[in-house]
Amino acid sequence: GAVVSQHPSRVICKSGTSVKIECRSLDFQATTMFWYRQFPKQSLMLMATSNEGSKATYEQGVEKDKFLINHASLTLSTLTVTSAHPEDSSFYICSARFGQQQETQYFGPGTRLLVL
Amino acid sequence: GQNIDQPTEMTATEGAIVQINCTYQTSGFNGLFWYQQHAGEAPTFLSYNVLDGLEEKGRFSSFLSRSKGYSYLLLKELQMKDSASYLCAVMDSNYQLIWGAGTKLIIKP
Repeated sequence: GAVVSQHPSRVICKSGTSVKIECRSLDFQATTMFWYRQFPKQSLMLMATSNEGSKATYEQGVEKDKFLINHASLTLSTLTVTSAHPEDSSFYICSARFGQQQETQYFGPGTRLLVL
Repeated sequence: GQNIDQPTEMTATEGAIVQINCTYQTSGFNGLFWYQQHAGEAPTFLSYNVLDGLEEKGRFSSFLSRSKGYSYLLLKELQMKDSASYLCAVMDSNYQLIWGAGTKLIIKP
């Protein structure tokens, strides 16, 4: 299957700093990329959907000024957590899709963020 | 509202069979998915059902009844490596994935 990578896999930062997470589709062009957040023992929560070259669509309750998403190309999307706080500590997962069918959505390995 | 229900946790014995149920209520239906997620890792795709019936794929099978809003994932010949969370997700009429909270499956020797 297709490969999606995320970088970094794990990051620890101080409260108030910003953290950027990269999501890349390595062997296909992703028309759409999704960003999820998952807290321990909970399901995935969709944060935003982004299409290359256009603004991301954020889910209700997700602050777009805090979670900046840039989908600069068909193979790269970035999520920047600005002014991170301890409550932002979570597992962030991206996925990439090249079509309407869900079967073509592939997940990255996730990024574990710990804000001290 | 939309919701997906599945048991929080199940325990089974190595070599046995286990069935994980999922019921859903969504606005529209474009398919039901099962994913496996090991602790600390991202989900991996297991199965996709859009028509009623049973889909078999090796040791794993998935069943769907659209009229009942019900699906199950059947795991046979359980192995220790099957210990993971199993996520049920439904794609609604807007092609948005609605996720269940996941079922943590514990396999005992």
